[in-house]
Amino acid sequence: AQSVAQPEDQVNVAEGNPLTVKCTYSVSGNPYLFWYVQYPNRGLQFLLKYITGDNLVKGSYGFEAEFNKSQTSFHLKKPSALVSDSALYFCAVRDPDSNYQLIWGAGTKLIIKP
Amino acid sequence: ETGVTQTPRHLVMGMTNKKSLKCEQHLGHNAMYWYKQSAKKPLELMFVYNFKEQTENNSVPSRFSPECPNSSHLFLHLHTLQPEDSALYLCASSQDLNYGYTFGSGTRLTVV
Repeated sequence: AQSVAQPEDQVNVAEGNPLTVKCTYSVSGNPYLFWYVQYPNRGLQFLLKYITGDNLVKGSYGFEAEFNKSQTSFHLKKPSALVSDSALYFCAVRDPDSNYQLIWGAGTKLIIKP
Repeated sequence: ETGVTQTPRHLVMGMTNKKSLKCEQHLGHNAMYWYKQSAKKPLELMFVYNFKEQTENNSVPSRFSPECPNSSHLFLHLHTLQPEDSALYLCASSQDLNYGYTFGSGTRLTVV
């Protein structure tokens, strides 16, 4: 069955430190992978996606993610965290060989402390 | 603003009420979606419309009734809801079914 796992409910990082938000997936075909961010009382905003090509994808607000096929992971990273990065982050996957629906992770709350 | 507008932002309704949620996009997108977001749970896809035609209904109870009169507007009609239906209801649109989504800010629904 297709699935997405975000193993951490919450990640705490000090401002200025690098951050990683983890995502692993299970799909039957070649995945399309997405990261979205949700600020309080707002809808989700697209951060970045991987469809094909370079395994390192750069997105909005200085975020990047690395697609690792052997580990079936798509971790979100940022070299230097900002307090304003505090939000809820969602990983999603679409299996283009199956259907077009996005399968979502449960979300990871990222807290950046000054 | 993302280009996807949802109204109202907040809604409190009794279990016997009838209300409607509205979603509007002027991005030229052809696909629109309703999602339910509950605390600490993955987003639940409810309905998908592509070129105004409903293509998905993920076993959603009949007390939720979608309507898509044109490619720019999507409604979710609500009647005789249950307290467990309280959640954030998100509308999204995409260029087509293979593209990423643009989300609205959501309607926070409380059923009392």
